[in-house]
Amino acid sequence: EVQLLDSGGSLVQPGGSLRLSCAASGFNFSTYAMSWVRQAPGKGLEWVSAVSGSGNYTYYADSVKGRFSISRDNSKNIIYLQMNALRAADTAVYFCAKSIFGVVMNTAWDSWGQGTLVTVSS
Amino acid sequence: EIVLTQSPEFQSVPPKEKVTIICRASQSIGGNLHWYQQKPHQSPKLLIKYVSQSFSGVPSRFSGSGSGTEFTLTINGLEAEDAATYYCHQSSSLPHTFGQGTKLEIK
Repeated sequence: EVQLLDSGGSLVQPGGSLRLSCAASGFNFSTYAMSWVRQAPGKGLEWVSAVSGSGNYTYYADSVKGRFSISRDNSKNIIYLQMNALRAADTAVYFCAKSIFGVVMNTAWDSWGQGTLVTVSS
Repeated sequence: EIVLTQSPEFQSVPPKEKVTIICRASQSIGGNLHWYQQKPHQSPKLLIKYVSQSFSGVPSRFSGSGSGTEFTLTINGLEAEDAATYYCHQSSSLPHTFGQGTKLEIK
């Protein structure tokens, strides 16, 4: 059974940093691309970032480019989202999600973590 | 960026009825259109991938259709457990985008 466990969310001040983690199990981790999708309180889904199965290719939404960095450790079956220069607009529940394939394009996200809440406020 | 527009944004429907949700894309996305269901305080769940392919374990009352820029999610024989918000998603080009969501209430 595929399991994704998101963690690392907390209250942080504007301009601060945070690292989210997503621990995966139940599938051949390095074979699949992974993504972060966020949901602001009471709002819809917003794709944030994705990484290919190999980790060689990374992609970002314009709203986080230059501030967020996605990475993965295929030896530990974990992906990370390093978030710097956080803003109030980054406040959201962050979900990690697994791709159907090893690439980010032309795919669907077939399994999701439970989400971790990031609150950016002074 | 490809914009996905869902209609309606809210729908209240009695049990056993048929529901149709539309997703329109700002440009052609081929077959890279997927549908998710999200219940309150839960993570999204994949229902339909590539326009019309049902994901494993999804009840047969859920179906998808469409092409190019207009797509439809249909629920035949609505059940109480189908109360949720439904999102379409395109992966044809970056950034991936989602529709704004359609909240479905069971009367």
